[in-house]
Amino acid sequence: AQTVTQSQPEMSVQEAETVTLSCTYDTSESDYYLFWYKQPPSRQMILVIRQEAYKQQNATENRFSVNFQKAAKSFSLKISDSQLGDAAMYFCALPWAGSYQLTFGKGTKLSVIP
Amino acid sequence: GAVVSQHPSRVICKSGTSVKIECRSLDFQATTMFWYRQFPKQSLMLMATSNEGSKATYEQGVEKDKFLINHASLTLSTLTVTSAHPEDSSFYICSAIDRTSVAYEQYFGPGTRLTVT
Repeated sequence: AQTVTQSQPEMSVQEAETVTLSCTYDTSESDYYLFWYKQPPSRQMILVIRQEAYKQQNATENRFSVNFQKAAKSFSLKISDSQLGDAAMYFCALPWAGSYQLTFGKGTKLSVIP
Repeated sequence: GAVVSQHPSRVICKSGTSVKIECRSLDFQATTMFWYRQFPKQSLMLMATSNEGSKATYEQGVEKDKFLINHASLTLSTLTVTSAHPEDSSFYICSAIDRTSVAYEQYFGPGTRLTVT
């Protein structure tokens, strides 16, 4: 069975600083995608970034980047130059093998301190 | 990007009545949609997978007679909570798959807050 673990229920960061959110997972697949979703107070789920497992290069989207360690099954999200609008729940997600269904982590609540 | 809408955003109903929630993919065809339930400060819990033109697949522990799902077109899935009770009060979120996408990403609706009094 697939698992996704986010070991940090809550994190905080000073505005303009950098923060890293952790995610580990387990899958028997060799090729897969990984996602980070953001859920702000509005509760709209927003895709932040995705990573293809067969790509060695870490994905980057503006201030958001990942540190993908396939052998360690680790997929952390780094947010640089944190902004007040980054305050949200962040969920790490892994698709089921051969399916579109997602396994979500329990989430990390990020607070940004002005 | 792909947009998914949900209606209504909020609904209050009396115990024993039924309520229908609509999920629409606005700019793409979605043969597969998902329905989630989210309790406060918790992750999303998959309730069922909705496939256009066929019966929904429900997750273990989800009552199919209580949570009726219909996916009659490529852009619309509906979730009907029948004989609602206060314990059904929750935040319901749908998502849709754009099969033309190269990744397996889901696009989410904005959610519906259901309150049963």
